[in-house]
Amino acid sequence: EIVMTQSPVTLSVSPGESATLSCRASQSVRTKLAWYQQKPGQAPRLLIYGASTRATGIPARFSGSGSGTEFTLTISSLQSEDFAVYYCQQYDHWPPLTFGGGTKVEIK
Amino acid sequence: QVQLVQSGAEVEKPGASVKVSCQASGYPFTAYYIHWVRQAPGQGLEWMARISPNTGGTNTAPKFQGRVTLTRDTSTGSAYMELNRLTSDDTALYFCARTQDSGSLLYFDMWGQGTLITITS
Repeated sequence: EIVMTQSPVTLSVSPGESATLSCRASQSVRTKLAWYQQKPGQAPRLLIYGASTRATGIPARFSGSGSGTEFTLTISSLQSEDFAVYYCQQYDHWPPLTFGGGTKVEIK
Repeated sequence: QVQLVQSGAEVEKPGASVKVSCQASGYPFTAYYIHWVRQAPGQGLEWMARISPNTGGTNTAPKFQGRVTLTRDTSTGSAYMELNRLTSDDTALYFCARTQDSGSLLYFDMWGQGTLITITS
Protein backbone atom coordinates (compact mmCIF):
# COMPACT_ATOMS: atom_id res chain seq x y z
CA GLU A 1 0.00 0.00 0.00
CA ILE A 2 1.30 3.45 -0.95
CA VAL A 3 1.48 5.77 2.05
CA MET A 4 0.86 9.46 1.31
CA THR A 5 2.26 12.00 3.76
CA GLN A 6 1.18 15.64 3.71
CA SER A 7 2.90 18.57 5.34
CA PRO A 8 2.37 20.73 7.18
CA VAL A 9 -0.70 19.54 9.04
CA THR A 10 -1.83 23.15 9.49
CA LEU A 11 -0.78 26.20 7.50
CA SER A 12 -1.64 29.71 8.71
CA VAL A 13 -1.75 32.22 5.88
CA SER A 14 -3.03 35.76 5.50
CA PRO A 15 -5.49 36.54 2.70
CA GLY A 16 -3.65 37.62 -0.42
CA GLU A 17 -0.54 35.63 0.43
CA SER A 18 0.45 32.36 -1.22
CA ALA A 19 0.41 28.88 0.30
CA THR A 20 2.60 25.90 -0.55
CA LEU A 21 1.38 22.44 0.44
CA SER A 22 3.49 19.29 0.16
CA CYS A 23 2.63 15.67 -0.46
CA ARG A 24 5.08 12.78 -0.41
CA ALA A 25 4.50 9.22 -1.60
CA SER A 26 6.21 6.20 -0.05
CA GLN A 27 7.18 5.05 -3.55
CA SER A 28 6.94 6.54 -7.01
CA VAL A 29 3.43 7.22 -8.29
CA ARG A 30 4.73 8.89 -11.47
CA THR A 31 2.29 11.77 -12.07
CA LYS A 32 -0.85 9.92 -10.97
CA LEU A 33 -1.57 12.36 -8.18
CA ALA A 34 -4.72 14.38 -7.50
CA TRP A 35 -5.50 17.21 -5.09
CA TYR A 36 -8.87 17.91 -3.46
CA GLN A 37 -10.30 20.74 -1.42
CA GLN A 38 -12.80 20.03 1.34
CA LYS A 39 -14.80 22.59 3.31
CA PRO A 40 -16.68 21.75 6.52
CA GLY A 41 -19.85 19.77 5.89
CA GLN A 42 -19.11 19.35 2.20
CA ALA A 43 -17.81 16.63 -0.06
CA PRO A 44 -14.29 17.03 -1.43
CA ARG A 45 -13.84 18.89 -4.71
CA LEU A 46 -11.30 17.89 -7.36
CA LEU A 47 -8.72 20.62 -7.96
CA ILE A 48 -5.80 18.98 -9.78
CA TYR A 49 -5.21 15.63 -11.50
CA GLY A 50 -2.20 14.24 -13.30
CA ALA A 51 -0.14 16.17 -10.74
CA SER A 52 -0.51 19.46 -12.62
CA THR A 53 -3.74 19.63 -14.67
CA ARG A 54 -6.45 21.84 -13.23
CA ALA A 55 -9.92 20.33 -13.16
CA THR A 56 -12.79 22.05 -14.94
CA GLY A 57 -13.67 25.39 -13.38
CA ILE A 58 -10.70 25.57 -11.02
CA PRO A 59 -9.12 29.05 -10.87
CA ALA A 60 -5.61 29.57 -12.20
CA ARG A 61 -4.35 30.53 -8.72
CA PHE A 62 -4.28 26.79 -7.97
CA SER A 63 -1.28 25.02 -9.46
CA GLY A 64 0.25 21.59 -8.96
CA SER A 65 3.71 20.28 -9.64
CA GLY A 66 5.95 17.30 -9.03
CA SER A 67 6.42 13.70 -10.07
CA GLY A 68 7.62 10.46 -8.57
CA THR A 69 7.40 10.88 -4.81
CA GLU A 70 7.34 14.66 -4.23
CA PHE A 71 4.39 16.89 -5.08
CA THR A 72 3.36 20.46 -4.37
CA LEU A 73 0.10 22.35 -4.47
CA THR A 74 0.51 26.11 -4.63
CA ILE A 75 -2.31 28.54 -4.02
CA SER A 76 -1.34 32.04 -5.03
CA SER A 77 -3.07 35.10 -3.57
CA LEU A 78 -5.35 33.22 -1.17
CA GLN A 79 -9.00 34.22 -1.25
CA SER A 80 -11.42 33.83 1.67
CA GLU A 81 -13.05 30.84 -0.02
CA ASP A 82 -9.69 28.99 -0.18
CA PHE A 83 -9.45 28.37 3.55
CA ALA A 84 -10.19 24.67 3.78
CA VAL A 85 -8.57 21.25 4.12
CA TYR A 86 -6.59 19.91 1.17
CA TYR A 87 -5.93 16.25 0.42
CA CYS A 88 -3.65 14.54 -2.05
CA GLN A 89 -4.50 11.12 -3.51
CA GLN A 90 -2.42 8.67 -5.54
CA TYR A 91 -3.98 6.50 -8.21
CA ASP A 92 -0.95 4.74 -9.66
CA HIS A 93 -0.86 1.65 -7.43
CA TRP A 94 -4.20 0.21 -6.38
CA PRO A 95 -6.08 -1.28 -4.72
CA PRO A 96 -6.15 0.48 -2.44
CA LEU A 97 -6.33 4.08 -3.63
CA THR A 98 -4.77 6.16 -0.87
CA PHE A 99 -5.05 9.71 0.44
CA GLY A 100 -2.76 11.88 2.46
CA GLY A 101 -3.82 12.93 5.92
CA GLY A 102 -4.68 16.45 4.81
CA THR A 103 -3.41 20.00 5.29
CA LYS A 104 -5.67 22.57 6.87
CA VAL A 105 -5.16 26.08 5.47
CA GLU A 106 -6.38 28.56 8.05
CA ILE A 107 -6.56 32.32 8.29
CA LYS A 108 -3.58 33.90 10.00
CA GLN B 1 -27.62 18.00 -14.10
CA VAL B 2 -24.74 15.66 -13.43
CA GLN B 3 -24.91 14.46 -9.85
CA LEU B 4 -24.68 11.64 -7.35
CA VAL B 5 -27.38 11.58 -4.69
CA GLN B 6 -27.03 9.36 -1.65
CA SER B 7 -29.54 7.92 0.77
CA GLY B 8 -30.12 9.45 4.17
CA ALA B 9 -28.43 9.06 7.52
CA GLU B 10 -28.66 5.80 9.41
CA VAL B 11 -28.24 4.76 13.04
CA GLU B 12 -27.31 1.13 13.61
CA LYS B 13 -26.35 -1.13 16.49
CA PRO B 14 -23.00 -2.91 16.76
CA GLY B 15 -23.03 -6.16 14.84
CA ALA B 16 -25.70 -5.01 12.41
CA SER B 17 -25.41 -4.24 8.69
CA VAL B 18 -26.14 -1.07 6.75
CA LYS B 19 -26.80 -0.47 3.06
CA VAL B 20 -26.22 2.92 1.43
CA SER B 21 -27.43 3.87 -2.03
CA CYS B 22 -25.97 6.27 -4.59
CA GLN B 23 -28.18 7.45 -7.45
CA ALA B 24 -26.39 8.75 -10.52
CA SER B 25 -27.98 11.14 -12.99
CA GLY B 26 -27.01 13.34 -15.92
CA TYR B 27 -24.38 11.04 -17.41
CA PRO B 28 -24.07 7.47 -18.79
CA PHE B 29 -24.04 5.36 -15.62
CA THR B 30 -21.96 2.54 -17.11
CA ALA B 31 -19.18 4.86 -18.32
CA TYR B 32 -17.81 5.61 -14.86
CA TYR B 33 -16.70 3.55 -11.87
CA ILE B 34 -18.45 4.22 -8.57
CA HIS B 35 -16.21 4.22 -5.49
CA TRP B 36 -16.96 4.42 -1.79
CA VAL B 37 -14.84 6.63 0.46
CA ARG B 38 -15.44 7.21 4.14
CA GLN B 39 -14.43 9.90 6.61
CA ALA B 40 -14.53 9.33 10.35
CA PRO B 41 -15.38 12.38 12.48
CA GLY B 42 -12.54 14.90 12.31
CA GLN B 43 -10.41 12.51 10.25
CA GLY B 44 -9.18 12.16 6.67
CA LEU B 45 -10.47 10.26 3.67
CA GLU B 46 -10.30 6.48 3.39
CA TRP B 47 -10.98 4.55 0.18
CA MET B 48 -13.06 1.44 0.68
CA ALA B 49 -13.97 -0.14 -2.64
CA ARG B 50 -15.17 0.41 -6.20
CA ILE B 51 -17.57 -1.15 -8.66
CA SER B 52 -17.71 -1.03 -12.42
CA PRO B 53 -21.36 -0.41 -13.29
CA ASN B 54 -20.61 -1.81 -16.75
CA THR B 55 -19.31 -5.23 -15.70
CA GLY B 56 -20.24 -5.42 -12.02
CA GLY B 57 -16.60 -6.11 -11.22
CA THR B 58 -15.37 -4.89 -7.85
CA ASN B 59 -12.16 -4.16 -5.95
CA THR B 60 -12.02 -3.77 -2.18
CA ALA B 61 -9.37 -2.41 0.17
CA PRO B 62 -7.83 -5.24 2.22
CA LYS B 63 -9.14 -3.65 5.40
CA PHE B 64 -12.75 -4.11 4.27
CA GLN B 65 -12.56 -7.43 2.44
CA GLY B 66 -15.22 -9.80 3.69
CA ARG B 67 -17.30 -6.97 5.17
CA VAL B 68 -18.20 -4.83 2.16
CA THR B 69 -20.53 -5.81 -0.66
CA LEU B 70 -20.98 -3.55 -3.70
CA THR B 71 -23.85 -3.94 -6.15
CA ARG B 72 -25.42 -1.88 -8.88
CA ASP B 73 -28.71 -1.60 -10.75
CA THR B 74 -28.13 -0.38 -14.28
CA SER B 75 -31.87 0.04 -14.88
CA THR B 76 -32.08 2.79 -12.26
CA GLY B 77 -28.49 4.09 -12.37
CA SER B 78 -27.92 3.23 -8.73
CA ALA B 79 -25.00 1.77 -6.82
CA TYR B 80 -25.15 0.24 -3.36
CA MET B 81 -22.64 -0.36 -0.58
CA GLU B 82 -23.45 -2.80 2.22
CA LEU B 83 -21.19 -2.94 5.27
CA ASN B 84 -21.54 -5.84 7.71
CA ARG B 85 -20.55 -6.56 11.30
CA LEU B 86 -20.60 -2.91 12.24
CA THR B 87 -18.57 -1.54 15.15
CA SER B 88 -18.25 1.91 16.65
CA ASP B 89 -15.17 2.42 14.46
CA ASP B 90 -17.48 2.41 11.44
CA THR B 91 -19.16 5.63 12.55
CA ALA B 92 -18.35 7.95 9.66
CA LEU B 93 -19.57 9.96 6.72
CA TYR B 94 -19.71 7.68 3.68
CA PHE B 95 -19.30 9.16 0.22
CA CYS B 96 -19.84 7.68 -3.19
CA ALA B 97 -17.69 9.19 -5.90
CA ARG B 98 -17.07 8.49 -9.57
CA THR B 99 -13.97 8.05 -11.68
CA GLN B 100 -13.63 7.31 -15.34
CA ASP B 101 -14.00 3.66 -16.29
CA SER B 102 -10.26 3.24 -16.73
CA GLY B 103 -7.68 1.79 -14.41
CA SER B 104 -5.33 4.69 -15.11
CA LEU B 105 -7.68 7.65 -14.49
CA LEU B 106 -8.81 6.98 -10.94
CA TYR B 107 -9.27 10.51 -9.63
CA PHE B 108 -12.67 11.51 -8.28
CA ASP B 109 -14.32 14.19 -10.40
CA MET B 110 -17.73 13.99 -8.75
CA TRP B 111 -18.89 13.14 -5.26
CA GLY B 112 -22.18 12.41 -3.56
CA GLN B 113 -23.25 14.54 -0.64
CA GLY B 114 -22.32 11.91 1.92
CA THR B 115 -24.34 9.62 4.18
CA LEU B 116 -23.72 9.71 7.93
CA ILE B 117 -23.67 6.27 9.50
CA THR B 118 -23.70 6.23 13.31
CA ILE B 119 -23.06 3.03 15.23
CA THR B 120 -24.33 3.09 18.78
CA SER B 121 -25.74 0.59 21.24
